[in-house]
Amino acid sequence: IAGITQAPTSQILAAGRRMTLRCTQDMRHNAMYWYRQDLGLGLRLIHYSNTAGTTGKGEVPDGYSVSRANTDDFPLTLASAVPSQTSVYFCASSPSGTSGYNEQFFGPGTRLTVL
Amino acid sequence: GQNIDQPTEMTATEGAIVQINCTYQTSGFNGLFWYQQHAGEAPTFLSYNVLDGLEEKGRFSSFLSRSKGYSYLLLKELQMKDSASYLCAVNDDYKLSFGAGTTVTVRA
Repeated sequence: IAGITQAPTSQILAAGRRMTLRCTQDMRHNAMYWYRQDLGLGLRLIHYSNTAGTTGKGEVPDGYSVSRANTDDFPLTLASAVPSQTSVYFCASSPSGTSGYNEQFFGPGTRLTVL
Repeated sequence: GQNIDQPTEMTATEGAIVQINCTYQTSGFNGLFWYQQHAGEAPTFLSYNVLDGLEEKGRFSSFLSRSKGYSYLLLKELQMKDSASYLCAVNDDYKLSFGAGTTVTVRA
């Protein structure tokens, strides 16, 4: 049982390069999320998707894009990476995106460094 | 906007009790979560409160007062493995807004 996986585990990237972080879940959850975690700031929501085919912007969406072509996959793309995007990125999923009991299950994270 | 505050760090001795407070001011409220995150790992779910009162789950308990915008997580009989960061998160408009986390260090 994999749950939710992310790739790569870590990456060093030159500024200006394009990068896609991958996220896959096998729990058939409807909702998926991307967060970044920075020291002292906690987890901040970048983008989310309540169901396949729909996406929405979170608290810090600028410089990032997502797509949700199917239930399982939710890739996050940095079109032109900048050093301020250096962070640990977590993907998460939950059974429903429109429920009060919105327990989210997190992937192991991707540590991204932009130089 | 969302404002979720919790202490940055706490230190306690093995076997003791620690209480982590969380205050929040959010535009909406659909429940409050506590997550545990060990260094270098993903957050994992600990507790959920949507009604006022205390929820007990083994050594961990969580309390909520909606009128005061206040919650706490109580960790009893502390063990070394409880050294971690504890994240308070509010379900606001069906999305989670997280506090910055409280790092708890358990000393022998």
